[in-house]
Amino acid sequence: IAGITQAPTSQILAAGRRMTLRCTQDMRHNAMYWYRQDLGLGLRLIHYSNTAGTTGKGEVPDGYSVSRANTDDFPLTLASAVPSQTSVYFCATQTGVNTGELFFGEGSRLTVL
Amino acid sequence: SQKIEQNSEALNIQEGKTATLTCNYTNYSPAYLQWYRQDPGRGPVFLLLIRENEKEKRKERLKVTFDTTLKQSLFHITASQPADSATYLCALGTGGGNKLTFGTGTQLKVEL
Repeated sequence: IAGITQAPTSQILAAGRRMTLRCTQDMRHNAMYWYRQDLGLGLRLIHYSNTAGTTGKGEVPDGYSVSRANTDDFPLTLASAVPSQTSVYFCATQTGVNTGELFFGEGSRLTVL
Repeated sequence: SQKIEQNSEALNIQEGKTATLTCNYTNYSPAYLQWYRQDPGRGPVFLLLIRENEKEKRKERLKVTFDTTLKQSLFHITASQPADSATYLCALGTGGGNKLTFGTGTQLKVEL
């Protein structure tokens, strides 16, 4: 059982380049989330999707976009990467909004030079 | 402003002792509070959820308390083991799943 798959695991990217982080789940959970985790700042919500076809902005959405064409996939795109987007990115799912625990992927470590 | 505070300094304890981690918050009215465990290079893993009308929740060697008057949650691990060494995150939920806000975490080290 894979659960949540994130790709790539790690990436070094030149500033100004476009990058898409992939997140796929096989649990058929409705809600999906993207967080970034930075030392001393904890996990911060970037974007979320309560169900397929809908998305919303979190705490730090600038410079990022998401789409939710189906239940399983929730890609995060950096249109033009900047060094401040160097971080570890976690995708998470939830069976439904306000139903408790989040299930996290293993993360994508992104370095923007 | 809203703030969630967890002790940024690592907590070192001896095997077999009870570890107690603290999560304090200000300017929140959480509907529930969650605790997660995170190992280096891994994603967080859910441990426990406690709702605003619950004082205490237990799961095996874990116990969580929630005091909405003190605006504090305590997370206890009894009979601690080296395998319990990890970073523990608290998260506050304010009624909608996408309103979950995380603290920065406290690193626990259990020594032999």
